[in-house]
Amino acid sequence: AQSVTQPDIHITVSEGASLELRCNYSYGATPYLFWYVQSPGQGLQLLLKYFSGDTLVQGIKGFEAEFKRSQSSFNLRKPSVHWSDAAEYFCSGGYQKVTFGTGTKLQVIP
Amino acid sequence: DAGVIQSPRHEVTEMGQEVTLRCKPISGHDYLFWYRQTMMRGLELLIYFNNNVPIDDSGMPEDRFSAKMPNASFSTLKIQPSEPRDSAVYFCASSSNGATYEQYFGPGTRLTVT
Repeated sequence: AQSVTQPDIHITVSEGASLELRCNYSYGATPYLFWYVQSPGQGLQLLLKYFSGDTLVQGIKGFEAEFKRSQSSFNLRKPSVHWSDAAEYFCSGGYQKVTFGTGTKLQVIP
Repeated sequence: DAGVIQSPRHEVTEMGQEVTLRCKPISGHDYLFWYRQTMMRGLELLIYFNNNVPIDDSGMPEDRFSAKMPNASFSTLKIQPSEPRDSAVYFCASSSNGATYEQYFGPGTRLTVT
């Protein structure tokens, strides 16, 4: 079945450390891919998107993601995490009907 | 510019009652999505519309759930009768058909059925 998978349910990083959240996709062709962030009590907010072209995509809040066809991955990265980045992150992919991963909760410790 | 608007933000009702959730998409967006989010099942797509027409309702849990989009600026999700297992956060999202498929989410309605 066509889907995206987020293998990490929960990740803890220290403030100032680098971050990488994993996302793998399973589609016949390269899908549209997205990363969203959800803060507690809020809706999802789009961080970045990939359709084609440059495989390194820049997003808001200092996030970036790299599309790797050979690994069927679209991992989200940030060089230095801030306490305000603590939230749940969702990878999604597809075409007209996107599917969402199960989310990764990020905890940031001082 | 207003984003997706949902009302009410919180709803507490008793089992057996009818519940209606409302959504106003972003003006100009021609896709509208209804999602349900729970701890156990994560984010589930219930139904989506294109140009006010339901395209895929395969995620609607059962006949107790129904959704309508009478015009481009309004949609409802109705649960009748409601049950405690319907307690969840319900999100509405919209997108434009510019081959982007990025979705803009509303703040959600937290439904509690007692």
